[in-house]
Amino acid sequence: GAVVSQHPSWVICKSGTSVKIECRSLDFQATTMFWYRQFPKQSLMLMATSNEGSKATYEQGVEKDKFLINHASLTLSTLTVTSAHPEDSSFYICSARDLGTGGAEAFFGQGTRLTVV
Amino acid sequence: ELKVEQNPLFLSMQEGKNYTIYCNYSTTSDRLYWYRQDPGKSLESLFVLLSNGAVKQEGRLMASLDTKARLSTLHITAAVHDLSATYFCAAGLITDSWGKLQFGAGTQVVVTP
Repeated sequence: GAVVSQHPSWVICKSGTSVKIECRSLDFQATTMFWYRQFPKQSLMLMATSNEGSKATYEQGVEKDKFLINHASLTLSTLTVTSAHPEDSSFYICSARDLGTGGAEAFFGQGTRLTVV
Repeated sequence: ELKVEQNPLFLSMQEGKNYTIYCNYSTTSDRLYWYRQDPGKSLESLFVLLSNGAVKQEGRLMASLDTKARLSTLHITAAVHDLSATYFCAAGLITDSWGKLQFGAGTQVVVTP
């Protein structure tokens, strides 16, 4: 199946700094990618839909100025957590669908565990 | 708004016995997914169900979809320790972008001897 790669897999940052997470589709093009957040012992919550060449669509309650999304190419979306605070500590996961194969499966990256200290 | 309800939230299984996890969704969906998540890891795709009556099986796991009842089930046959994990179902709206999913709360499965 298609591969979605996330980097870094984990990161620790100081409160007030910014962190960038990359999501790459390795063997297919993804015009749309999705960013999810998962707190410990909870489910995945969709944060935003990343659209290649246009603005991201954010879910209700997600601060677009805090979680900056850039989808500059057909294989790369980035999520930047700006002015991170301890409450932003979470597991961030991206996903994408391989439109080229016409399949319905959504492929997930390996996730990024962010810890803000 | 699409809502996905999963139950039970926790399932203690005895090895060798059969169990079922239920996933209800609130409005018409054209695709239902089952994922497995091990602690500290991302999601592993188990099944994609796209039509009413769809049934898929892989090893000890079998998933089915009833779109009229808006219900999917994940059946575990003769549970073994390796199946300990958290299982999520997720549904997508027909009108939404492919890949945009609403997840259930997850079922934490612990299999004991």
